[in-house]
Amino acid sequence: EVQLLQSGGDLVQPGGSLRLSCAASGFSFDNYAMNWVRQAPGKGLEWVAAVSGSEDRTYYADSVKGRFTVSRDSSKNTIHLHMNSLSAEDTAVYYCAKDSGPWGSNYLDYWGQGALVTVSS
Amino acid sequence: SYVLTQPPSVSVAPGKTAKITCGDSNIGSRSVHWYQQKPGQAPTLLIFYDSDRPSGIPERFSGSNSGNTATLTISRVEVGDEADYYCQVWDSSSEHRVFGGGTKLTVL
Repeated sequence: EVQLLQSGGDLVQPGGSLRLSCAASGFSFDNYAMNWVRQAPGKGLEWVAAVSGSEDRTYYADSVKGRFTVSRDSSKNTIHLHMNSLSAEDTAVYYCAKDSGPWGSNYLDYWGQGALVTVSS
Repeated sequence: SYVLTQPPSVSVAPGKTAKITCGDSNIGSRSVHWYQQKPGQAPTLLIFYDSDRPSGIPERFSGSNSGNTATLTISRVEVGDEADYYCQVWDSSSEHRVFGGGTKLTVL
């Protein structure tokens, strides 16, 4: 059974940093891309970042490029999202989601439970 | 940036058919995926590659994609189908995943 267990959501001050984690199990972790998708309060889904399977290439939405870094720890079957220079616009529930393939026109077949990030003073 | 257009809301009576559209120029040339999100829950995959259903998704849910519009069709709508529905594609030029704005389905 595929499971994605998220951790790290918190309240952080503007300009601060935070790291989210997503521990995966139940599938061959290295063979699949992993994504981060966020949802601001009352808003729709926004794709944030991804790390590809096998080559560990990374991809970022324009809204977070240069501030967020996605990484993969294959020894722990875990991905991280390092978030810097946070602002109120980054307040959202962050979901990790498994890709159906290593990268490309695939779909997101499993989702984590979400982690709330609140940026406020 | 790439934009997928969905109606903000769709209303339908129980037992009727709901259609939720996802529009963009020549979207028929892309693979479209659909997700369902119920209040307070994470999204779940509903339809992939335009019209395929994951195991466990009822046949009442179907998808199509042609020209400038992809469509999610829900037949014999039930109260339990009330949710937000999102379409998603992959933009090969930017290598970004793109979501539509979402459609709230209300069952009257």
